Formats: sequence, structure tokens, C-alpha cells
Amino acid sequence: GAVVSQHPSRVICKSGTSVKIECRSLDFQATTMFWYRQFPKQSLMLMATSNEGSKATYEQGVEKDKFLINHASLTLSTLTVTSAHPEDSSFYICSAQPDRVYGYTFGSGTRLTVV
Amino acid sequence: ELKVEQNPLFLSMQEGKNYTIYCNYSTTSDRLYWYRQDPGKSLESLFVLLSNGAVKQEGRLMASLDTKARLSTLHITAAVHDLSATYFCAVVTNNNDMRFGAGTRLTVKP
Repeated sequence: GAVVSQHPSRVICKSGTSVKIECRSLDFQATTMFWYRQFPKQSLMLMATSNEGSKATYEQGVEKDKFLINHASLTLSTLTVTSAHPEDSSFYICSAQPDRVYGYTFGSGTRLTVV
Repeated sequence: ELKVEQNPLFLSMQEGKNYTIYCNYSTTSDRLYWYRQDPGKSLESLFVLLSNGAVKQEGRLMASLDTKARLSTLHITAAVHDLSATYFCAVVTNNNDMRFGAGTRLTVKP
């Protein structure tokens, strides 16, 4: 089946530094990828939709200058958390849609801890 | 804006009992999904419901969809401890992105 590979699975960084999270579609082309954030014991909240070759679409309240999204190829989307702060600590999950009906394959998630 | 309401948020069950989780959504959608999430893990797809009246079953779980009522249910039959997890319903918007319910944290006790 369709697989989305997400790395790293865990990252601890110092406050003020930047962290890059990668999501790759392994056996299909993903023109669109979705980035979610999940705080402990909460639901998944859509942060942004990345589109290959064009600018990402951010949800209301998500700072586009802080959460940089790049979707330079049909198999790779990256989320960079810039100048991370402890409140950015969360579980970040990407997803893509291999086909319209059954899609929405999810990456394994990245646990970000900012200290 | 599409809103997805899920209830209950917390559910503690005895093994062997039955229960239903409900998922209401606010605007028309032609796709509804149910996912399971174990602590610290990503999402595991359970069901995809694509049409009014759709019913799908896998083991002790059965999901249904009523698009007219904008309601989906996830029914648990004769619960076992292994079903303990958080269950999410999710609906696809007109923009083709997915919006999630708040999740139901299920605990099955012996």
C-alpha cells in the first residue's frame, strides 16, 4: 500500500533553533501534502496544505514565517519550525492522498520537544 | 467552516460490553473516515465511508454513515482490552483536506 515516510520520529532542540521535518511519499506522487499538529490529549489540527511547485496554504492562526513549508518535488514535503520555542513542542504529522477515494495516508509522526 | 463533533470524549467500558461512538458534522461531505490512535503513535485507518447508508465491519468494530443526518457511528461489540485507544472520525472538506473530531478515548477494563 501507499506509504508516507516521516523523519525524524523524535527531535529535541534548544529554544531559538530551527528544526526540519521531512515527509516522503514512497510509492506514489503527492502533489498535495497536509501538515497537522497534535498537542497532548488533543485532536489533530490542520496547520497547512503544501502544494508541489507552489506556495503552501496556511490555516488561520498559523504563522507562515514560523512554519516554513517546502514542497519542491512530487515526493517530498518539508516543514521547518523556525526559532522554536517550548510552546511549539508537539506531535507533527503529515499526510498525503494516493488516490482520491481511499487516500490520506499518514506519516508516523514527529515528536518535537523544545527545551 | 466544517465542524466535526464527536462524543463521548471519554469512554470507559467493561470487557464484553457494547457501546457506540457518535460523529456529527456540520456541512455536506462525501467522505468520512474513522481512525485509531495508540499513545505516541500516528493514525491507523479503520474505515472509509463514501455513501449514504454505508456500513462497514471489521472484527468487533462496525461503522455506518447517514449523510442526510450528517452522522456516523462507530459501534463496538463485546469490547476487549486490545480495543483501548483513541478513536477519531474525520471528514473531508470541499478543499479536499481532512478535519478531525476531538477524539474518543476508550478504555476497556477487565
